[in-house]
Amino acid sequence: GESVGLHLPTLSVQEGDNSIINCAYSNSASDYFIWYKQESGKGPQFIIDIRSNMDKRQGQRVTVLLNKTVKHLSLQIAATQPGDSAVYFCAVIDTGRRALTFGSGTRLQVQP
Amino acid sequence: ETGVTQSPTHLIKTRGQQVTLRCSSQSGHNTVSWYQQALGQGPQFIFQYYREEENGRGNFPPRFSGLQFPNYSSELNVNALELDDSALYLCAAEGASGNTIYFGEGSWLTVV
Repeated sequence: GESVGLHLPTLSVQEGDNSIINCAYSNSASDYFIWYKQESGKGPQFIIDIRSNMDKRQGQRVTVLLNKTVKHLSLQIAATQPGDSAVYFCAVIDTGRRALTFGSGTRLQVQP
Repeated sequence: ETGVTQSPTHLIKTRGQQVTLRCSSQSGHNTVSWYQQALGQGPQFIFQYYREEENGRGNFPPRFSGLQFPNYSSELNVNALELDDSALYLCAAEGASGNTIYFGEGSWLTVV
């Protein structure tokens, strides 16, 4: 089955710096990838997604990069703000199975 | 605003009891999934419903069951509650056109 791992459990950055959160996945059949932000006591909030036919997608202050060769996904947050402090999950979904497989999460701490 | 609403937000049950959690989503969300999130972990897929029929199931025992109704609402039922069932239960909805997957804020279940 699919397994999803994250490289760091906690990432601490200074306000205004750029943040990079990494994620590795195992199933080469995975075709859809989503990054979620989860604040304490709340449900996961959609940030950005990318499909397997792309290698980069940009949103407002966020960029997702997909490297299918090494099965690696990253989320870049530009000019990190205190409101970005949360746990970030990558989630993958593979063809024919519409269930998300989540990583264990990276806690982003933004220092003022 | 994700268009996914869950109730109740918090509840406490005794081991051996049964619980029903509810989810409502906006029109067009044909696919609804339920996830269990233990403290400090990523969400785990329980099952998925599409047009009122179960469309996939994760590694959860039969005492976890569900229903989806024509008005796009859904229920998660858990029988014979165990202490390890204490978790945040999340409902996620996906639109008919394969749009991205949005989560509700979840229902916190504590089993004592």
